[in-house]
Amino acid sequence: SQQGEEDPQALSIQEGENATMNCSYKTSINNLQWYRQNSGRGLVHLILIRSNEREKHSGRLRVTLDTSKKSSSLLITASRAADTASYFCATDEKSGNTPLVFGKGTRLSVIA
Amino acid sequence: DTGVSQNPRHKITKRGQNVTFRCDPISEHNRLYWYRQTLGQGPEFLTYFQNEAQLEKSRLLSDRFSAERPKGSFSTLEIQRTEQGDSAMYLCASSPGDFDSPLHFGNGTRLTVT
Repeated sequence: SQQGEEDPQALSIQEGENATMNCSYKTSINNLQWYRQNSGRGLVHLILIRSNEREKHSGRLRVTLDTSKKSSSLLITASRAADTASYFCATDEKSGNTPLVFGKGTRLSVIA
Repeated sequence: DTGVSQNPRHKITKRGQNVTFRCDPISEHNRLYWYRQTLGQGPEFLTYFQNEAQLEKSRLLSDRFSAERPKGSFSTLEIQRTEQGDSAMYLCASSPGDFDSPLHFGNGTRLTVT
């Protein structure tokens, strides 16, 4: 089963614009992670935000977490063509010692 | 850090045949995970190991699937009597510790069952 649900499913923007992707989840969590996947490749970890954090930055990435709404957002600023990929949120449930559960992802296309 | 290595990268097999995939994790990582990913979907958890012990299996892992991690090093995932529905990307990941440790993924094995 997949806990996270990313929105939108697909996003197409021009280079230089900002891209915002959202993730909603169902259960209480310990932390939420974002991953990126280029076509035909494995996933690469981008950033982890813990349940007691509200915002985190890493380079051009900004992640927010709202545990009351069970949602997170990933903002990529000043996008580049190389940012074209699928982006997934993943959560580990607070209820038990469970492996990461991934959402269905947002497919981002950045047009040069 | 040489990364997580998976072999083969691609496998085409006929329905009913058995296939085996191999994963070599990052050497100091004691946790190893198998996920399955179909087109347009996120990875779905199959099973994971803490060293050589297989600690959890998803209900997706039918009795045709078996995974091993002898000596807590590399892992193999075998699918017996393959079905067309088994066609997917099989991803291996490793991590150094608990579930809040980021996963390091390999590039996967793409299985096509004809």
